[in-house]
Amino acid sequence: SQQGEEDPQALSIQEGENATMNCSYKTSINNLQWYRQNSGRGLVHLILIRSNEREKHSGRLRVTLDTSKKSSSLLITASRAADTASYFCATDETGNQFYFGTGTSLTVIP
Amino acid sequence: DVKVTQSSRYLVKRTGEKVFLECVQDMDHENMFWYRQDPGLGLRLIYFSYDVKMKEKGDIPEGYSVSREKKERFSLILESASTNQTSMYLCASSPPRGTQYFGPGTRLLVL
Repeated sequence: SQQGEEDPQALSIQEGENATMNCSYKTSINNLQWYRQNSGRGLVHLILIRSNEREKHSGRLRVTLDTSKKSSSLLITASRAADTASYFCATDETGNQFYFGTGTSLTVIP
Repeated sequence: DVKVTQSSRYLVKRTGEKVFLECVQDMDHENMFWYRQDPGLGLRLIYFSYDVKMKEKGDIPEGYSVSREKKERFSLILESASTNQTSMYLCASSPPRGTQYFGPGTRLLVL
């Protein structure tokens, strides 16, 4: 089974700065999704990007996908303390089953 | 809004006990999933179901079973709990090939 790998494992920035985290995966995919998890809670879906898309925006989030490099990045602009969370990418093989990485832990310092 | 609920937020059980974790979704989703989450290992899929009475093994099904008698409900069963099953258990539902919606999680401690 394939799995997304996020990089870095941990990231600490000042409020107002941009945060970038990356995801690499191993085989061809249909979709890639990014999720956020606040401490001790379930995951919340942020954004889905399809394999034929290169870039997608949602509010302060920007996701890119490079299928030739099998990688994706999530950019959070003008970060806030409330953005402190773990961020996971999830990739699919069969379409019904997604594989999650180990996550990037983001800390935004007020 | 999609709502996925899990029967307990915290659970403490003894080794050898039979444990039931229940998950209910209200969006008529075909797919339902059970994951466990451990530090440094991310989310690992235990079982998923794409229809009533249908189930597929995920990456780590050993020591677990599941039941899906109704579309909205997906149960995870630990037949004989062991200490290495202490973990955070997350349930999710989705339409086919769609976004997964997660419950709040159940933190299980097996003593």
